[in-house]
Amino acid sequence: DQQVKQNSPSLSVQEGRISILNCDYTNSMFDYFLWYKKYPAEGPTFLISISSIKDKNEDGRFTVFLNKSAKHLSLHIVPSQPGDSAVYFCAARGNQFYFGTGTSLTVIP
Amino acid sequence: AAGVIQSPRHLIKEKRETATLKCYPIPRHDTVYWYQQGPGQDPQFLISFYEKMQSDKGSIPDRFSAQQFSDYHSELNMSSLELGDSALYFCASSLTGDMRYTFGSGTRLTVV
Repeated sequence: DQQVKQNSPSLSVQEGRISILNCDYTNSMFDYFLWYKKYPAEGPTFLISISSIKDKNEDGRFTVFLNKSAKHLSLHIVPSQPGDSAVYFCAARGNQFYFGTGTSLTVIP
Repeated sequence: AAGVIQSPRHLIKEKRETATLKCYPIPRHDTVYWYQQGPGQDPQFLISFYEKMQSDKGSIPDRFSAQQFSDYHSELNMSSLELGDSALYFCASSLTGDMRYTFGSGTRLTVV
């Protein structure tokens, strides 16, 4: 059973607009959440993380929000750039890491 | 639904020993990827296989080798283990043309 879910397999956004990628999880014991970015033919690279004791973490154009009561995680990219086009994975840490299946973001110039 | 299965979940080995990690992809997925994530580090891509052939190679040490078998499962063989090999090793599988990866839960290797 998938403990981390990314229900949108793809997302298209105009350059300059906000991209919002969503992630839901089932286990309230997860204590650490991460977003990874992956370009074709490359391994995933770490993007941003958040501890369960926080509800927001910001790094430049990237902000991750955590809503523990809703067991929901989101990644905001503002402003979106064509180079942001990639697959984004969220992951949650319990006794091990659980990954979502990814959302393919396309930023349209 | 079936997921990516990795075994064992946890493994403790001594220095200079060997270890074999296994990955069983989602049925009909033809590509398997191996990653290593050390404590506090980003996952590092090791190697990938497509249709039982090595398709891409990352930062995999020469002491490691891997292969994909006819049933598409893959094994990562690690020899002359070092303390620095202690990490979470996870694999992912995908179907050609689909960028979404499904990751396994990982094997936590501890070298003592």
